[in-house]
Amino acid sequence: DADVTQTPRNRITKTGKRIMLECSQTKGHDRMYWYRQDPGLGLRLIYYSFDVKDINKGEISDGYSVSRQAQAKFSLSLESAIPNQTALYFCATRSGSTGELFFGEGSRLTVL
Amino acid sequence: GQNIDQPTEMTATEGAIVQINCTYQTSGFNGLFWYQQHAGEAPTFLSYNVLDGLEEKGRFSSFLSRSKGYSYLLLKELQMKDSASYLCAAGSSGGSYIPTFGRGTSLIVHP
Repeated sequence: DADVTQTPRNRITKTGKRIMLECSQTKGHDRMYWYRQDPGLGLRLIYYSFDVKDINKGEISDGYSVSRQAQAKFSLSLESAIPNQTALYFCATRSGSTGELFFGEGSRLTVL
Repeated sequence: GQNIDQPTEMTATEGAIVQINCTYQTSGFNGLFWYQQHAGEAPTFLSYNVLDGLEEKGRFSSFLSRSKGYSYLLLKELQMKDSASYLCAAGSSGGSYIPTFGRGTSLIVHP
């Protein structure tokens, strides 16, 4: 089983719908991140969390919200999806000792 | 702020050597990461440089010059499976580790 699990892996939705992407991890890491990846733009940070009570905006947080339900769970929500939020979304955790990021397998979201 | 620059695409021949460069301008810089990402998959960790110099790990090596804001990833004895995107990421210090990624270099390895 993967150490960082994202659900759903693929989702097609319509403009205006509320969408939640979920991430859970078994690595015991405190730090978790949500990134968005678009062709030619690389990985861009949406939100990050250093523990359950610490949540911070990244460079492209507008239109998104997050919830850190537990150390192991970090969810990303789109309150009212729009077509330019069509992208591949990655959740990641960070090792405190090495700084290495461990990524989930990605959630491909299409907003029609 | 953060600014990371790397070439968009490179091509090379199987068995050859290729060097992928990355330049960065990062406040509170505390290390440079390289990740590999195959199409449709998650990025996976390749290397981490915090001190100047070359770190070798099998066919892959990574170099860092902090004074020049420059790093490169060197891939030797290229194989077809090395065709992937290579992501350069700079870490910042100050207790708030926030890795910032470049746009990635797509490497195509030809037979």
